Amino acid sequence: DQQVKQNSPSLSVQEGRISILNCDYTNSMFDYFLWYKKYPAEGPTFLISISSIKDKNEDGRFTVFLNKSAKHLSLHIVPSQPGDSAVYFCAATLTGGGNKLTFGTGTQLKVEL
Amino acid sequence: DTGVSQDPRHKITKRGQNVTFRCDPISEHNRLYWYRQTLGQGPEFLTYFQNEAQLEKSRLLSDRFSAERPKGSFSTLEIQRTEQGDSAMYLCASSLTVSGNTIYFGEGSWLTVV
Repeated sequence: DQQVKQNSPSLSVQEGRISILNCDYTNSMFDYFLWYKKYPAEGPTFLISISSIKDKNEDGRFTVFLNKSAKHLSLHIVPSQPGDSAVYFCAATLTGGGNKLTFGTGTQLKVEL
Repeated sequence: DTGVSQDPRHKITKRGQNVTFRCDPISEHNRLYWYRQTLGQGPEFLTYFQNEAQLEKSRLLSDRFSAERPKGSFSTLEIQRTEQGDSAMYLCASSLTVSGNTIYFGEGSWLTVV
């Protein structure tokens, strides 16, 4: 039962362009969403989060959009840089769930020169 | 470095042996989590502690796995009688209690069972 889904296993983008990574969830009780970036052989690094009471959160080059009615969120990276090449995980949690995260399967982003 | 620290980073063990991983969370964080990640998958929740109390265990955590956080600071995850299917990255994370608070991960401990 995959409650958080990232249907694109990989994405390739040119340097300077926008990267859009998508995530869908099925559990309507999720109320906090996070994006993590992961390099091989390292732990996930927190990027940005959004509460379910908001529809957008921005931090520098990273913006997360939340569409609750569609149970969909997306991460926009503008402009994309070669150092952004990594696996990106979407994660969700619910109030009262002890901050326990449910992760998607990840999207491998490759930013090409 | 004040992040989440895990030790060892890599462990190769023979099937049937016991292994133990240690995690030191961010010092003021009272919640500590263990996750497991296999190739091509996202991290999967195993268990979490609030201070020294283990509040939840996933059904993924078989009886060969045991986790402790005796003084509410560092934690250990022991796997007894390892099997090849235990080969994975074991991730520790920590956070404050506040709902929705960000969870910070360590660099992980790679386990290879041969």
